Amino acid sequence: EDKVVQSPLSLVVHEGDTVTLNCSYEVTNFRSLLWYKQEKKAPTFLFMLTSSGIEKKSGRLSSILDKKELSSILNITATQTGDSAIYLCAVDSDQAGTALIFGKGTTLSVSS
Amino acid sequence: DTGVSQNPRHKITKRGQNVTFRCDPISEHNRLYWYRQTLGQGPEFLTYFQNEAQLEKSRLLSDRFSAERPKGSFSTLEIQRTEQGDSAMYLCASSFGLATDTQYFGPGTRLTVL
Repeated sequence: EDKVVQSPLSLVVHEGDTVTLNCSYEVTNFRSLLWYKQEKKAPTFLFMLTSSGIEKKSGRLSSILDKKELSSILNITATQTGDSAIYLCAVDSDQAGTALIFGKGTTLSVSS
Repeated sequence: DTGVSQNPRHKITKRGQNVTFRCDPISEHNRLYWYRQTLGQGPEFLTYFQNEAQLEKSRLLSDRFSAERPKGSFSTLEIQRTEQGDSAMYLCASSFGLATDTQYFGPGTRLTVL
């Protein structure tokens, strides 16, 4: 059965800290891995990763995919209170058709 | 606002009642997805449309659930004879329909079944 596992499930840091969120997957016929940020509303898209070893960056956020290790990390540097959210990892695979398989998310709390 | 919109944003109903939610995707997107998310869990896929055709349905979509997208634009999700276990956030997403495109989510409809 396809699955996506995120760790840690929750994390509390101080403003200015750097955090690394992990996502591992076991899917058949992997196509892409996506990261979303969810606050009190719907998820908002952060990154889509399809190629191993190529880092994607957006401001203080960056992410990289390791297809050999079947995993991805999401880094957030110089965290701010506005980064507090649930970070969701999702995988797109041929086996799942066009549906995304989501992990349970990492809840990040940034204190000032 | 040109994003995905959903109505209503909140719905409280009594067990046994029928409810219907609406999703308006981004206008040029031809794929539309419905997901359900419960507290502490990631979204779970329910069903998917390519234009007006419903191409996939999850095992989670029981006989009490039905979705339509009659003209390939907006979609409705109906739940008949609601149960307390149906309480969840119902999310709609849309995408262009390319092989590696991105799904953009709406704000969701929060359903509470009393």
